[in-house]
Amino acid sequence: KQEVTQIPAALSVPEGENLVLNCSFTDSAIYNLQWFRQDPGKGLTSLLLIQSSQREQTSGRLNASLDKSSGRSTLYIAASQPGDSATYLCAVRLNTGTASKLTFGTGTRLQVTL
Amino acid sequence: GAGVSQSPSNKVTEKGKDVELRCDPISGHTALYWYRQSLGQGLEFLIYFQGNSAPDKSGLPSDRFSAERTGGSVSTLTIQRTQQEDSAVYLCASSPLAGGDTQYFGPGTRLTVL
Repeated sequence: KQEVTQIPAALSVPEGENLVLNCSFTDSAIYNLQWFRQDPGKGLTSLLLIQSSQREQTSGRLNASLDKSSGRSTLYIAASQPGDSATYLCAVRLNTGTASKLTFGTGTRLQVTL
Repeated sequence: GAGVSQSPSNKVTEKGKDVELRCDPISGHTALYWYRQSLGQGLEFLIYFQGNSAPDKSGLPSDRFSAERTGGSVSTLTIQRTQQEDSAVYLCASSPLAGGDTQYFGPGTRLTVL
Protein backbone atom coordinates (compact mmCIF):
# COMPACT_ATOMS: atom_id res chain seq x y z
CA LYS A 1 0.00 0.00 0.00
CA GLN A 2 1.33 3.39 -1.04
CA GLU A 3 2.02 5.71 1.90
CA VAL A 4 2.85 9.39 1.45
CA THR A 5 4.51 11.39 4.20
CA GLN A 6 5.10 15.12 4.37
CA ILE A 7 7.62 16.84 6.60
CA PRO A 8 7.34 19.19 8.37
CA ALA A 9 3.68 19.13 9.36
CA ALA A 10 3.79 22.88 9.98
CA LEU A 11 6.24 25.63 9.17
CA SER A 12 6.40 29.33 9.95
CA VAL A 13 8.87 31.59 8.16
CA PRO A 14 9.36 35.35 7.81
CA GLU A 15 8.52 36.96 4.48
CA GLY A 16 11.30 36.77 1.91
CA GLU A 17 12.80 33.47 3.02
CA ASN A 18 13.32 30.57 0.66
CA LEU A 19 11.90 27.30 1.92
CA VAL A 20 11.66 23.61 1.09
CA LEU A 21 8.77 21.26 1.71
CA ASN A 22 9.38 17.53 1.66
CA CYS A 23 7.31 14.63 0.43
CA SER A 24 8.23 10.95 0.55
CA PHE A 25 6.39 7.90 -0.79
CA THR A 26 6.92 4.21 -0.18
CA ASP A 27 6.12 2.73 -3.62
CA SER A 28 8.44 4.12 -6.31
CA ALA A 29 6.29 2.76 -9.17
CA ILE A 30 4.46 6.03 -9.62
CA TYR A 31 2.93 7.49 -12.77
CA ASN A 32 3.22 11.09 -11.61
CA LEU A 33 3.39 13.31 -8.56
CA GLN A 34 1.41 16.48 -8.02
CA TRP A 35 1.73 19.36 -5.58
CA PHE A 36 -1.39 21.24 -4.48
CA ARG A 37 -2.16 24.12 -2.17
CA GLN A 38 -5.29 24.30 -0.08
CA ASP A 39 -6.58 27.50 1.45
CA PRO A 40 -8.84 27.30 4.53
CA GLY A 41 -12.39 26.34 3.60
CA LYS A 42 -11.53 25.95 -0.06
CA GLY A 43 -10.70 23.18 -2.47
CA LEU A 44 -7.32 22.26 -3.83
CA THR A 45 -5.37 24.22 -6.43
CA SER A 46 -2.87 22.32 -8.53
CA LEU A 47 0.58 23.89 -8.48
CA LEU A 48 2.88 21.52 -10.33
CA LEU A 49 2.63 18.07 -11.87
CA ILE A 50 5.76 15.99 -12.47
CA GLN A 51 5.58 12.93 -14.69
CA SER A 52 7.61 9.90 -13.57
CA SER A 53 10.09 10.48 -16.40
CA GLN A 54 10.78 14.06 -15.30
CA ARG A 55 13.11 15.33 -12.61
CA GLU A 56 11.66 18.76 -11.97
CA GLN A 57 9.04 21.30 -12.90
CA THR A 58 9.07 25.06 -12.40
CA SER A 59 6.33 27.64 -12.24
CA GLY A 60 7.24 31.16 -11.18
CA ARG A 61 8.73 31.06 -7.69
CA LEU A 62 7.93 27.37 -7.32
CA ASN A 63 10.19 24.48 -8.23
CA ALA A 64 9.34 20.85 -7.63
CA SER A 65 11.83 18.04 -7.95
CA LEU A 66 11.28 14.30 -8.13
CA ASP A 67 13.67 11.47 -7.25
CA LYS A 68 11.57 8.43 -8.00
CA SER A 69 14.17 5.85 -7.05
CA SER A 70 14.49 7.23 -3.54
CA GLY A 71 10.78 7.99 -3.20
CA ARG A 72 11.16 11.71 -2.61
CA SER A 73 9.94 15.02 -3.91
CA THR A 74 10.63 18.53 -2.75
CA LEU A 75 8.76 21.77 -3.33
CA TYR A 76 10.99 24.81 -3.24
CA ILE A 77 9.38 28.21 -2.73
CA ALA A 78 11.60 31.20 -3.41
CA ALA A 79 11.20 34.60 -1.77
CA SER A 80 8.14 33.59 0.23
CA GLN A 81 5.20 35.99 0.59
CA PRO A 82 2.31 36.16 3.08
CA GLY A 83 0.02 35.09 0.23
CA ASP A 84 1.87 31.78 0.13
CA SER A 85 0.35 30.88 3.51
CA ALA A 86 -1.71 27.72 2.97
CA THR A 87 -1.54 23.97 3.38
CA TYR A 88 0.59 22.25 0.76
CA LEU A 89 -0.26 18.71 -0.25
CA CYS A 90 1.64 16.27 -2.40
CA ALA A 91 -0.12 13.39 -4.11
CA VAL A 92 1.08 10.44 -6.14
CA ARG A 93 -0.63 8.39 -8.79
CA LEU A 94 0.51 4.79 -9.03
CA ASN A 95 1.49 3.30 -12.35
CA THR A 96 -1.05 0.50 -12.22
CA GLY A 97 -3.23 0.10 -15.27
CA THR A 98 -6.19 2.44 -15.32
CA ALA A 99 -6.04 3.32 -11.66
CA SER A 100 -6.05 7.09 -11.59
CA LYS A 101 -6.72 7.75 -7.96
CA LEU A 102 -4.30 9.94 -6.08
CA THR A 103 -2.78 9.06 -2.72
CA PHE A 104 -2.26 12.21 -0.69
CA GLY A 105 0.14 13.15 2.06
CA THR A 106 -1.22 14.79 5.20
CA GLY A 107 0.16 18.15 4.18
CA THR A 108 2.46 20.90 5.42
CA ARG A 109 0.76 23.96 6.87
CA LEU A 110 2.83 26.99 5.91
CA GLN A 111 2.59 30.41 7.49
CA VAL A 112 4.59 33.30 6.07
CA THR A 113 4.76 36.20 8.49
CA LEU A 114 5.37 39.87 7.83
CA GLY B 1 -18.63 28.67 -14.66
CA ALA B 2 -15.22 27.42 -15.67
CA GLY B 3 -14.44 25.33 -12.60
CA VAL B 4 -15.77 22.30 -10.77
CA SER B 5 -18.79 23.17 -8.66
CA GLN B 6 -20.26 21.31 -5.72
CA SER B 7 -23.49 21.64 -3.80
CA PRO B 8 -24.41 22.18 -1.10
CA SER B 9 -21.36 23.92 0.32
CA ASN B 10 -22.41 22.92 3.83
CA LYS B 11 -24.74 20.20 5.04
CA VAL B 12 -25.78 19.48 8.59
CA THR B 13 -27.79 16.33 9.15
CA GLU B 14 -28.90 14.07 11.94
CA LYS B 15 -27.45 10.64 12.48
CA GLY B 16 -29.35 8.03 10.49
CA LYS B 17 -30.51 10.35 7.72
CA ASP B 18 -29.53 9.97 4.07
CA VAL B 19 -27.66 12.75 2.25
CA GLU B 20 -26.88 13.50 -1.38
CA LEU B 21 -23.90 15.55 -2.49
CA ARG B 22 -23.65 16.90 -6.00
CA CYS B 23 -20.70 17.58 -8.27
CA ASP B 24 -20.69 19.40 -11.61
CA PRO B 25 -17.38 18.75 -13.35
CA ILE B 26 -15.69 20.99 -15.88
CA SER B 27 -17.47 20.65 -19.21
CA GLY B 28 -15.81 18.09 -21.43
CA HIS B 29 -13.86 16.38 -18.65
CA THR B 30 -14.28 12.64 -18.93
CA ALA B 31 -12.82 11.66 -15.57
CA LEU B 32 -14.48 12.44 -12.23
CA TYR B 33 -13.24 11.65 -8.73
CA TRP B 34 -14.63 11.84 -5.22
CA TYR B 35 -12.36 12.25 -2.19
CA ARG B 36 -13.02 12.70 1.51
CA GLN B 37 -11.00 14.93 3.83
CA SER B 38 -11.47 14.13 7.48
CA LEU B 39 -10.01 16.18 10.30
CA GLY B 40 -6.49 15.01 11.00
CA GLN B 41 -6.63 12.22 8.42
CA GLY B 42 -5.87 13.90 5.15
CA LEU B 43 -7.51 13.24 1.83
CA GLU B 44 -8.65 9.75 0.90
CA PHE B 45 -9.89 8.48 -2.44
CA LEU B 46 -13.51 7.28 -2.61
CA ILE B 47 -14.56 6.57 -6.20
CA TYR B 48 -13.51 7.30 -9.79
CA PHE B 49 -15.55 7.51 -13.00
CA GLN B 50 -13.99 7.43 -16.45
CA GLY B 51 -16.27 7.79 -19.45
CA ASN B 52 -18.59 4.81 -19.83
CA SER B 53 -16.31 2.40 -18.00
CA ALA B 54 -17.33 0.74 -14.76
CA PRO B 55 -16.39 3.04 -11.88
CA ASP B 56 -13.50 2.25 -9.53
CA LYS B 57 -15.27 1.97 -6.18
CA SER B 58 -12.30 0.65 -4.26
CA GLY B 59 -12.17 3.60 -1.88
CA LEU B 60 -15.76 3.57 -0.65
CA PRO B 61 -15.59 2.90 3.11
CA SER B 62 -18.85 0.95 3.42
CA ASP B 63 -21.94 -0.11 1.50
CA ARG B 64 -23.74 2.95 2.88
CA PHE B 65 -21.78 4.97 0.32
CA SER B 66 -22.69 4.99 -3.36
CA ALA B 67 -22.21 7.30 -6.31
CA GLU B 68 -23.52 7.66 -9.80
CA ARG B 69 -22.68 9.78 -12.77
CA THR B 70 -25.50 10.55 -15.15
CA GLY B 71 -24.89 11.27 -18.81
CA GLY B 72 -21.16 11.37 -18.27
CA SER B 73 -21.41 14.70 -16.50
CA VAL B 74 -23.00 15.45 -13.13
CA SER B 75 -22.26 13.07 -10.28
CA THR B 76 -24.09 12.43 -7.02
CA LEU B 77 -22.53 10.88 -3.94
CA THR B 78 -25.11 9.36 -1.62
CA ILE B 79 -24.51 8.41 1.99
CA GLN B 80 -27.26 6.35 3.60
CA ARG B 81 -27.94 6.14 7.33
CA THR B 82 -25.25 8.70 8.10
CA GLN B 83 -22.98 8.20 11.10
CA GLN B 84 -20.96 10.79 13.02
CA GLU B 85 -17.73 9.43 11.56
CA ASP B 86 -19.01 10.42 8.11
CA SER B 87 -18.48 14.08 9.07
CA ALA B 88 -15.84 15.42 6.69
CA VAL B 89 -15.30 17.61 3.67
CA TYR B 90 -16.20 15.77 0.47
CA LEU B 91 -14.21 16.95 -2.52
CA CYS B 92 -14.91 16.31 -6.17
CA ALA B 93 -12.34 16.62 -8.95
CA SER B 94 -12.37 16.22 -12.71
CA SER B 95 -9.74 15.85 -15.40
CA PRO B 96 -9.89 15.87 -19.18
CA LEU B 97 -8.36 12.41 -19.56
CA ALA B 98 -7.75 9.45 -17.34
CA GLY B 99 -4.31 9.06 -15.88
CA GLY B 100 -1.70 11.68 -16.29
CA ASP B 101 -3.63 14.92 -16.44
CA THR B 102 -4.01 17.40 -13.64
CA GLN B 103 -7.10 16.95 -11.48
CA TYR B 104 -9.14 20.10 -10.91
CA PHE B 105 -10.90 20.24 -7.56
CA GLY B 106 -14.17 21.79 -6.51
CA PRO B 107 -14.56 23.75 -3.25
CA GLY B 108 -16.01 20.77 -1.41
CA THR B 109 -19.09 20.04 0.66
CA ARG B 110 -18.64 20.16 4.43
CA LEU B 111 -20.85 17.46 5.95
CA THR B 112 -21.60 17.51 9.66
CA VAL B 113 -23.51 14.60 11.17
CA LEU B 114 -24.95 15.39 14.59
